[in-house]
Amino acid sequence: DAGITQSPRHKVTETGTPVTLRCHQTENHRYMYWYRQDPGHGLRLIHYSYGVKDTDKGEVSDGYSVSRSKTEDFLLTLESATSSQTSVYFCAIRGAGTGRSEQYFGPGTRLTVT
Amino acid sequence: QKEVEQNSGPLSVPEGAIASLNCTYSDRGSQSFFWYRQYSGKSPELIMSIYSNGDKEDGRFTAQLNKASQYVSLLIRDSQPSDSATYLCAVNNERGGANNLFFGTGTRLTVIP
Repeated sequence: DAGITQSPRHKVTETGTPVTLRCHQTENHRYMYWYRQDPGHGLRLIHYSYGVKDTDKGEVSDGYSVSRSKTEDFLLTLESATSSQTSVYFCAIRGAGTGRSEQYFGPGTRLTVT
Repeated sequence: QKEVEQNSGPLSVPEGAIASLNCTYSDRGSQSFFWYRQYSGKSPELIMSIYSNGDKEDGRFTAQLNKASQYVSLLIRDSQPSDSATYLCAVNNERGGANNLFFGTGTRLTVIP
């Protein structure tokens, strides 16, 4: 258990509405990640953070923004949700220590955009 | 070309047999390789990491790495029905200064009692 929680765990929303997903960690990890997982595509990186207020884009960042105002929280926002953003969203943290690259995942958020 | 490729399966093996899962990657600069297990409806769980050529054993699991062939595999000995899951291969990539992971699409394993 890497001490990661995600909220909400399930959400149904309508096209065009904004949605914010929260990832919370309790172990002071510097690196945090947001992925989406879709059948046939596997896990794809949306955005990541390497410190408070330090974020960068992943391979599928269009339509998403992130914020990290404190170490323990990493927020993912869908500015105007579309049906193509229906997915399972996972937050992850990177293991501590120089040169480490393994990641540990939160429980996920299942988002449905109708 | 995808960064990480896996046979999607499904792979079915009888209980007690050896399950062999394979993964190839495209970036010769990759240094870290991971296997995750994901049960249906759950999040990925790290089960093996390997950084050097050769074999690494942990209980019933053995990871094998061949950097020259850009190939990493996972062997599960004495397969159990509880091993039925999707196995994800992940490879690090330090492009652009970031040390992120690329994931394969996963191989679904079914162990038949």
